Amino acid sequence: NAGVMQNPRHLVRRRGQEARLRCSPMKGHSHVYWYRQLPEEGLKFMVYLQKENIIDESGMPKERFSAEFPKEGPSILRIQQVVRGDSAAYFCASSPETGANEKLFFGSGTQLSVL
Amino acid sequence: DAKTTQPTSMDCAEGRAANLPCNHSTISGNEYVYWYRQIHSQGPQYIIHGLKNNETNEMASLIITEDRKSSTLILPHATLRDTAVYYCIAEWGGSEKLVFGKGTKLTVNP
Repeated sequence: NAGVMQNPRHLVRRRGQEARLRCSPMKGHSHVYWYRQLPEEGLKFMVYLQKENIIDESGMPKERFSAEFPKEGPSILRIQQVVRGDSAAYFCASSPETGANEKLFFGSGTQLSVL
Repeated sequence: DAKTTQPTSMDCAEGRAANLPCNHSTISGNEYVYWYRQIHSQGPQYIIHGLKNNETNEMASLIITEDRKSSTLILPHATLRDTAVYYCIAEWGGSEKLVFGKGTKLTVNP
């Protein structure tokens, strides 16, 4: 059973470009979470999605950031018009169900570097 | 979410037990205690969780005090590969997300 797959592993963008980060949850998991980790800081929750629905986006910046989890295919975190402050590691996690009794399985992350 | 406090860093000798403390004095009755760790440049990894009783699995043991205001994660025989940041999280049942603090940076020395 493959784990949570994120790609690309590393992504380099110039200021003003768009970044698309992909996350394929573990087989059988219908809940996806995105976290961001700035250099030398802890993980910050961004958004929680179920298939075709955004459940909680309280951690998402108000502008330029969006996320989706379509019926078919991976979850996508999209950052438009990237700025240097967007440089960070972005981690995706999945779980079969929500609730504190369900552990999260994390991917290896995408390291975004904005030049 | 209950606030947790952990030491910023700890050291442990290889082969010895690593005991990582966590205070969660404001924890409520339906909040679980979770432990995750993050090895450098990797995604976090689930270790163990519990509500009231002590728990043990193949990775670690979790000791929760009777009043539930603190807990200790025990790695019985630490190896160099256990060097990581360890996060203690208190989260209520039915929550949609986990809130990570700064954790404890554990260094296992040869």
